[in-house]
Amino acid sequence: GEDVEQSLFLSVREGDSSVINCTYTDSSSTYLYWYKQEPGAGLQLLTYIFSNMDMKQDQRLTVLLNKKDKHLSLRIADTQTGDSAIYFCAEKKQLTFGSGTQLTVLP
Amino acid sequence: DVKVTQSSRYLVKRTGEKVFLECVQDMDHENMFWYRQDPGLGLRLIYFSYDVKMKEKGDIPEGYSVSREKKERFSLILESASTNQTSMYLCASSFPGGAGETQYFGPGTRLLVL
Repeated sequence: GEDVEQSLFLSVREGDSSVINCTYTDSSSTYLYWYKQEPGAGLQLLTYIFSNMDMKQDQRLTVLLNKKDKHLSLRIADTQTGDSAIYFCAEKKQLTFGSGTQLTVLP
Repeated sequence: DVKVTQSSRYLVKRTGEKVFLECVQDMDHENMFWYRQDPGLGLRLIYFSYDVKMKEKGDIPEGYSVSREKKERFSLILESASTNQTSMYLCASSFPGGAGETQYFGPGTRLLVL
């Protein structure tokens, strides 16, 4: 089946950029997603990208998709302490989620 | 705003008990999903439903069943709870063909089986 992989932890300093990476195996996935989960809460959609796009920008968030390498990344500019959370990448076709990356923002 | 609610935030049950987890969405979504979330494993799909009275197995359906008698409600049933079903359970819904077919999640039910 589909496999979606992420590193488990990332720490950055407040004000720096964060880059969270994800790899997937099914090249026929139509949509790829980034969700955010704050402590004690469900998942909240941050953004999604359609598979025929290379990049999508939404305020401080930039999603890059490299279909050849099956690599998806989420860049958060000017990272704030409120960005501390778990970030999940996911793909639509087989409803597969990565393990989540715990982002810690240090003051 | 889409709202997905789950009947309980926390549940404590004993091994062998029958457990019902309820999920309700208020946006007339056709699709509903149940996941469990475990540390280091991310979300794993248990069951999903694309319409009333329809159900499809996900990746880990063993030990679970579901019921979708009404469009807005999707129930997850643990017929005989076991300790390895201690987990966070997340319900989601989506509209087929909607923007990105985004899933909207409930707040989760943290289940402890003793």
